[in-house]
Amino acid sequence: SQQGEEDPQALSIQEGENATMNCSYKTSINNLQWYRQNSGRGLVHLILIRSNEREKHSGRLRVTLDTSKKSSSLLITASRAADTASYFCATDEGNAGNMLTFGGGTRLMVKP
Amino acid sequence: EPEVTQTPSHQVTQMGQEVILRCVPISNHLYFYWYRQILGQKVEFLVSFYNNEISEKSEIFDDQFSVERPDGSNFTLKIRSTKLEDSAMYFCASSVHRGEGEKLFFGSGTQLSVL
Repeated sequence: SQQGEEDPQALSIQEGENATMNCSYKTSINNLQWYRQNSGRGLVHLILIRSNEREKHSGRLRVTLDTSKKSSSLLITASRAADTASYFCATDEGNAGNMLTFGGGTRLMVKP
Repeated sequence: EPEVTQTPSHQVTQMGQEVILRCVPISNHLYFYWYRQILGQKVEFLVSFYNNEISEKSEIFDDQFSVERPDGSNFTLKIRSTKLEDSAMYFCASSVHRGEGEKLFFGSGTQLSVL
């Protein structure tokens, strides 16, 4: 698989349920970021986790990082219909700059 | 909240024509980027720009592409002779700094359709 592969590709849940999305990558990284994209809109930064961190929280978001498995997960708790969007992980592949490599994304649909 | 703005939102052009995609980054940001997303594919890095020169570019960013900051606010991507495979959503982004953990602010994109 390529750098930054998310699974599942699509996820449909009911409002109030938790949504978990996973991302795998292949190279070493300095940090991993999650972005959200509403249909037809740009990418919005959600959260960043550094390679020396294992877990990070921001509101209803929880991100974990396992560098030994080269994987990350994004958990959205108590989902809302407004969380419906595509979610992408992005890595820097160890670069010092901001050349991000994005995954294919998970399309999340939260049904009211 | 400040945002990156891109114009136009949609651009239709004939193959072989030149197009210029425009972006206004966030005013106090110093680093600027172009990414693109072909329909159904991943978001791909094209180029980063700082202090009026290209910092990094990908293999996609060949001689047909150029970037410019013509004044203090605009940041443009020019495709000299468009090809069918250039059809994509083009995203401009900016950041305050360059380096680890710097989050990027993206515009809403320009959907380019090459016919």
